[in-house]
Amino acid sequence: DAMVIQNPRYQVTQFGKPVTLSCSQTLNHNVMYWYQQKSSQAPKLLFHYYDKDFNNEADTPDNFQSRRPNTSFCFLDIRSPGLGDAAMYLCATSRGEGSQPQHFGDGTRLSIL
Amino acid sequence: AQSVAQPEDQVNVAEGNPLTVKCTYSVSGNPYLFWYVQYPNRGLQFLLKYITGDNLVKGSYGFEAEFNKSQTSFHLKKPSALVSDSALYFCAVRDDPRTGRRALTFGSGTRLQVQP
Repeated sequence: DAMVIQNPRYQVTQFGKPVTLSCSQTLNHNVMYWYQQKSSQAPKLLFHYYDKDFNNEADTPDNFQSRRPNTSFCFLDIRSPGLGDAAMYLCATSRGEGSQPQHFGDGTRLSIL
Repeated sequence: AQSVAQPEDQVNVAEGNPLTVKCTYSVSGNPYLFWYVQYPNRGLQFLLKYITGDNLVKGSYGFEAEFNKSQTSFHLKKPSALVSDSALYFCAVRDDPRTGRRALTFGSGTRLQVQP
């Protein structure tokens, strides 16, 4: 089945140690999103790619970066994780930004020691 | 600016009874409205959407939602709740992407608890 896959499902890192989360998709969607979700709150959009065009949300900290080397893969890099960055990180894809729904992966739960 | 409100943190309903999860929205133009469901330790799953057309939209797992422009609401409904419907439900809105913000705005979520 076509899907959005996030690896790993659980990630533990140390305070200040860079970490990378990965997302891959077999849907061939041109838009990919990264969300941060804390404690069953609303997902908060960090940034998204429309094809190769990167769109950063105004309130996303500089500590968060992203790469999209090709259509299928997208990475979230956290350069110096702080305790406040512990959260579930969700990747999603969509065909365009209009009326099509977003398809979500099952997330990576990040813990900071 | 677009926004969406889910006034109830939790909704409790007995199995077999009808359920309603409320959502109101605010956008500058024509809204694109969505409902998603999230089970524990899972991503969000799309249930249904309203873009244009009939105000009553049918979606997955027997869910439906009614778009009410005058009340700016998009409540999620199901005629007969199942215990397996217990989950976290998110309403989301997007402005007409031709004129407004391109990203989705999610509500704060409503936890649905269906008792056997």
